[in-house]
Amino acid sequence: DAMVIQNPRYQVTQFGKPVTLSCSQTLNHNVMYWYQQKSSQAPKLLFHYYDKDFNNEADTPDNFQSRRPNTSFCFLDIRSPGLGDAAMYLCATSRGEGGARETQYFGPGTRLLVL
Amino acid sequence: AQSVSQHNHHVILSEAASLELGCNYSYGGTVNLFWYVQYPGQHLQLLLKYFSGDPLVKGIKGFEAEFIKSKFSFNLRKPSVQWSDTAEYFCAVKGYSTLTFGKGTMLLVSP
Repeated sequence: DAMVIQNPRYQVTQFGKPVTLSCSQTLNHNVMYWYQQKSSQAPKLLFHYYDKDFNNEADTPDNFQSRRPNTSFCFLDIRSPGLGDAAMYLCATSRGEGGARETQYFGPGTRLLVL
Repeated sequence: AQSVSQHNHHVILSEAASLELGCNYSYGGTVNLFWYVQYPGQHLQLLLKYFSGDPLVKGIKGFEAEFIKSKFSFNLRKPSVQWSDTAEYFCAVKGYSTLTFGKGTMLLVSP
């Protein structure tokens, strides 16, 4: 089945130690998104890629970076994780052809713990 | 800026009870509205969506939602819930680019 895959499902890192979260997709979608979801809060968009074009949300901290080496993979890099970065990180994709009518498809998420 | 408000953080129902989860949005232009569901330990899944046309939309698993433009609402309904409907439900609105979620409603259905 075509899908959005996130590995690992749980990631533990130390305060200040760089960490990378991975997302891959078999849907061949043009757009890939990263969301942060803290406990009891709504998912919050960090940034997205339309093909190779990177689009950062205005309030996304500089500590968060992303890479998309090819259509299938997208990475979220947290350069110096703080305790406040502990959250669920969701990857999503969409075709990129429907404009405002785009439906996004989500991966299972990676729960990040910062010790 | 667009925003979404979900009225209830937690809802507890018995099986066979009827469900209505409230969702209100604010956005100045043409909206596209979604309900997503997240079952325990699983990823967000699309329940239903509204783009245009009939304001009453039907989704998977017997869910439906009604878009009422005058009330800026998109409430989710199901006539008879099952234990397997226990999950977190997110309303979302999409303007031109960004999908904005509400904070979610945790539904617990007791057998």
